[in-house]
Amino acid sequence: DAGVTQSPTHLIKTRGQQVTLRCSPKSGHDTVSWYQQALGQGPQFIFQYYEEEERQRGNFPDRFSGHQFPNYSSELNVNALLLGDSALYLCASSLGPGENIQYFGAGTRLSVL
Amino acid sequence: RKEVEQDPGPFNVPEGATVAFNCTYSNSASQSFFWYRQDCRKEPKLLMSVYSSGNEDGRFTAQLNRASQYISLLIRDSKLSDSATYLCVVKNTNAGKSTFGDGTTLTVKP
Repeated sequence: DAGVTQSPTHLIKTRGQQVTLRCSPKSGHDTVSWYQQALGQGPQFIFQYYEEEERQRGNFPDRFSGHQFPNYSSELNVNALLLGDSALYLCASSLGPGENIQYFGAGTRLSVL
Repeated sequence: RKEVEQDPGPFNVPEGATVAFNCTYSNSASQSFFWYRQDCRKEPKLLMSVYSSGNEDGRFTAQLNRASQYISLLIRDSKLSDSATYLCVVKNTNAGKSTFGDGTTLTVKP
Protein backbone atom coordinates (compact mmCIF):
# COMPACT_ATOMS: atom_id res chain seq x y z
CA ASP A 1 0.00 0.00 0.00
CA ALA A 2 1.81 3.11 -1.24
CA GLY A 3 1.78 6.08 1.02
CA VAL A 4 1.77 9.69 -0.11
CA THR A 5 4.34 10.26 -2.83
CA GLN A 6 5.72 13.59 -3.97
CA SER A 7 7.92 14.58 -6.86
CA PRO A 8 10.47 15.86 -7.37
CA THR A 9 12.33 15.49 -4.07
CA HIS A 10 14.56 18.49 -4.69
CA LEU A 11 14.33 21.42 -7.05
CA ILE A 12 16.44 24.51 -7.73
CA LYS A 13 14.91 27.49 -9.50
CA THR A 14 15.77 31.13 -10.01
CA ARG A 15 13.69 34.17 -9.11
CA GLY A 16 10.83 34.82 -11.49
CA GLN A 17 10.55 31.24 -12.70
CA GLN A 18 7.56 29.00 -12.31
CA VAL A 19 7.46 25.58 -10.65
CA THR A 20 5.07 22.64 -10.53
CA LEU A 21 5.13 20.12 -7.70
CA ARG A 22 3.24 16.84 -7.79
CA CYS A 23 1.53 14.66 -5.20
CA SER A 24 -0.13 11.25 -5.28
CA PRO A 25 -2.29 10.58 -2.24
CA LYS A 26 -2.33 7.46 -0.14
CA SER A 27 -4.41 4.70 -1.71
CA GLY A 28 -8.11 5.28 -1.00
CA HIS A 29 -7.68 8.93 -0.02
CA ASP A 30 -9.58 11.59 -1.96
CA THR A 31 -8.45 14.82 -0.29
CA VAL A 32 -5.10 16.54 -0.68
CA SER A 33 -3.73 19.44 1.33
CA TRP A 34 -0.55 21.40 0.60
CA TYR A 35 1.72 23.00 3.17
CA GLN A 36 4.80 25.19 3.04
CA GLN A 37 7.42 24.65 5.73
CA ALA A 38 10.19 27.23 6.01
CA LEU A 39 13.33 26.38 7.95
CA GLY A 40 12.72 26.43 11.69
CA GLN A 41 8.96 26.85 11.36
CA GLY A 42 5.94 24.62 11.36
CA PRO A 43 4.05 23.73 8.18
CA GLN A 44 1.79 26.53 6.92
CA PHE A 45 -1.47 25.54 5.21
CA ILE A 46 -1.62 26.63 1.56
CA PHE A 47 -4.84 25.01 0.33
CA GLN A 48 -6.88 21.83 0.21
CA TYR A 49 -8.40 20.03 -2.77
CA TYR A 50 -11.40 17.74 -2.75
CA GLU A 51 -13.55 16.65 -5.69
CA GLU A 52 -11.17 18.52 -7.99
CA GLU A 53 -11.96 21.85 -6.36
CA GLU A 54 -10.08 24.10 -3.97
CA ARG A 55 -12.06 23.85 -0.73
CA GLN A 56 -9.99 25.83 1.74
CA ARG A 57 -7.16 28.31 1.33
CA GLY A 58 -4.60 29.68 3.73
CA ASN A 59 -2.97 33.08 3.66
CA PHE A 60 -0.98 32.67 0.44
CA PRO A 61 -0.98 34.94 -2.63
CA ASP A 62 -2.54 34.04 -5.96
CA ARG A 63 0.91 33.09 -7.25
CA PHE A 64 0.18 29.80 -5.51
CA SER A 65 -2.35 27.72 -7.40
CA GLY A 66 -3.24 24.11 -7.61
CA HIS A 67 -5.17 21.40 -9.32
CA GLN A 68 -6.62 18.03 -8.48
CA PHE A 69 -7.11 15.33 -11.08
CA PRO A 70 -9.86 12.70 -11.31
CA ASN A 71 -7.48 10.12 -9.84
CA TYR A 72 -7.12 12.41 -6.76
CA SER A 73 -3.50 13.31 -7.46
CA SER A 74 -2.67 16.97 -7.20
CA GLU A 75 -0.29 19.65 -8.40
CA LEU A 76 0.93 22.80 -6.73
CA ASN A 77 2.03 25.60 -9.04
CA VAL A 78 3.99 28.64 -7.95
CA ASN A 79 4.52 31.51 -10.39
CA ALA A 80 6.99 34.38 -10.28
CA LEU A 81 9.16 32.70 -7.68
CA LEU A 82 10.64 34.79 -4.90
CA LEU A 83 13.64 34.00 -2.72
CA GLY A 84 11.20 33.65 0.19
CA ASP A 85 9.46 30.77 -1.54
CA SER A 86 12.43 28.56 -0.67
CA ALA A 87 10.99 25.91 1.64
CA LEU A 88 9.92 22.32 2.04
CA TYR A 89 6.57 21.79 0.36
CA LEU A 90 4.53 19.04 1.96
CA CYS A 91 1.50 17.26 0.61
CA ALA A 92 -0.91 15.50 2.96
CA SER A 93 -3.81 13.24 2.07
CA SER A 94 -6.89 12.21 4.01
CA LEU A 95 -10.22 10.41 3.68
CA GLY A 96 -12.38 13.43 3.07
CA PRO A 97 -11.92 17.15 3.84
CA GLY A 98 -13.20 16.88 7.39
CA GLU A 99 -11.10 13.87 8.33
CA ASN A 100 -8.73 14.62 11.18
CA ILE A 101 -6.06 12.10 10.35
CA GLN A 102 -3.79 13.09 7.49
CA TYR A 103 -0.70 11.43 6.11
CA PHE A 104 2.22 13.44 4.81
CA GLY A 105 4.55 12.80 1.92
CA ALA A 106 8.29 13.29 2.27
CA GLY A 107 8.05 16.69 0.64
CA THR A 108 9.73 18.61 -2.15
CA ARG A 109 12.59 20.84 -1.10
CA LEU A 110 12.54 23.98 -3.28
CA SER A 111 15.48 26.35 -3.40
CA VAL A 112 15.03 29.68 -5.17
CA LEU A 113 18.29 31.42 -6.09
CA ARG B 1 0.33 36.77 17.71
CA LYS B 2 0.49 33.30 16.16
CA GLU B 3 -2.63 31.15 16.22
CA VAL B 4 -0.71 28.25 17.78
CA GLU B 5 2.26 28.92 20.04
CA GLN B 6 4.68 26.42 21.50
CA ASP B 7 7.56 26.47 23.97
CA PRO B 8 10.53 27.74 21.98
CA GLY B 9 12.92 25.02 23.21
CA PRO B 10 15.26 23.43 22.53
CA PHE B 11 14.98 20.85 25.29
CA ASN B 12 18.11 18.85 26.02
CA VAL B 13 17.49 16.05 28.51
CA PRO B 14 19.26 12.87 29.64
CA GLU B 15 17.87 9.44 28.90
CA GLY B 16 15.20 8.48 31.38
CA ALA B 17 14.11 12.04 32.07
CA THR B 18 10.53 13.26 32.02
CA VAL B 19 9.89 16.24 29.79
CA ALA B 20 6.76 18.30 29.14
CA PHE B 21 5.86 20.49 26.18
CA ASN B 22 3.19 23.16 26.22
CA CYS B 23 1.08 24.68 23.47
CA THR B 24 -1.53 27.43 23.46
CA TYR B 25 -4.03 28.25 20.74
CA SER B 26 -6.02 31.41 20.12
CA ASN B 27 -8.99 30.23 18.05
CA SER B 28 -11.73 29.13 20.44
CA ALA B 29 -13.50 27.45 17.51
CA SER B 30 -10.73 24.86 17.34
CA GLN B 31 -12.21 21.43 17.87
CA SER B 32 -9.51 18.87 17.25
CA PHE B 33 -6.02 18.73 18.63
CA PHE B 34 -2.97 16.67 17.82
CA TRP B 35 0.70 16.19 18.45
CA TYR B 36 2.89 15.36 15.46
CA ARG B 37 6.51 14.31 15.50
CA GLN B 38 8.96 15.43 12.83
CA ASP B 39 12.44 13.98 12.51
CA CYS B 40 15.16 16.08 10.94
CA ARG B 41 14.49 16.66 7.23
CA LYS B 42 11.55 14.23 7.27
CA GLU B 43 7.79 14.62 7.04
CA PRO B 44 5.57 15.13 10.11
CA LYS B 45 3.94 12.00 11.47
CA LEU B 46 0.96 11.82 13.79
CA LEU B 47 2.04 11.00 17.34
CA MET B 48 -1.33 11.17 19.03
CA SER B 49 -4.66 12.92 19.10
CA VAL B 50 -5.54 14.93 22.19
CA TYR B 51 -8.89 14.40 23.90
CA SER B 52 -10.66 16.51 26.47
CA SER B 53 -10.38 13.79 29.08
CA GLY B 54 -6.66 13.43 28.47
CA ASN B 55 -5.14 10.36 26.91
CA GLU B 56 -2.10 8.20 27.27
CA ASP B 57 -0.15 6.07 24.82
CA GLY B 58 2.67 4.22 26.51
CA ARG B 59 5.19 6.78 27.74
CA PHE B 60 3.28 9.67 26.18
CA THR B 61 0.45 11.58 27.85
CA ALA B 62 -1.50 14.39 26.20
CA GLN B 63 -3.86 16.78 27.93
CA LEU B 64 -6.23 19.48 26.78
CA ASN B 65 -7.62 22.41 28.74
CA ARG B 66 -10.30 24.05 26.62
CA ALA B 67 -10.99 26.82 29.12
CA SER B 68 -7.36 27.94 29.03
CA GLN B 69 -6.89 26.92 25.35
CA TYR B 70 -3.84 24.94 26.34
CA ILE B 71 -2.46 21.56 25.24
CA SER B 72 0.39 19.62 26.76
CA LEU B 73 2.50 16.58 25.95
CA LEU B 74 4.38 14.67 28.63
CA ILE B 75 7.08 12.16 27.76
CA ARG B 76 8.23 9.83 30.52
CA ASP B 77 11.42 7.76 30.59
CA SER B 78 12.86 9.55 27.54
CA LYS B 79 14.69 7.43 24.97
CA LEU B 80 17.38 8.50 22.52
CA SER B 81 14.88 7.74 19.76
CA ASP B 82 12.51 10.40 21.14
CA SER B 83 14.87 13.09 19.79
CA ALA B 84 12.78 15.02 17.25
CA THR B 85 10.69 18.15 16.81
CA TYR B 86 7.21 17.95 18.31
CA LEU B 87 4.51 19.93 16.54
CA CYS B 88 1.25 21.01 18.15
CA VAL B 89 -1.68 21.06 15.71
CA VAL B 90 -5.20 22.44 16.04
CA LYS B 91 -8.07 22.10 13.64
CA ASN B 92 -11.60 23.33 13.25
CA THR B 93 -13.18 19.99 12.38
CA ASN B 94 -15.62 21.54 9.93
CA ALA B 95 -12.81 23.03 7.92
CA GLY B 96 -9.92 21.39 6.16
CA LYS B 97 -7.26 23.65 7.56
CA SER B 98 -4.85 22.36 10.19
CA THR B 99 -2.80 25.00 11.99
CA PHE B 100 0.64 23.95 13.15
CA GLY B 101 2.83 25.46 15.81
CA ASP B 102 6.49 26.03 15.01
CA GLY B 103 7.49 23.01 17.03
CA THR B 104 9.66 22.27 20.01
CA THR B 105 12.93 20.43 19.49
CA LEU B 106 13.86 17.67 21.91
CA THR B 107 17.31 16.14 22.14
CA VAL B 108 17.72 13.16 24.44
CA LYS B 109 21.35 12.49 25.38
CA PRO B 110 22.98 9.33 26.73
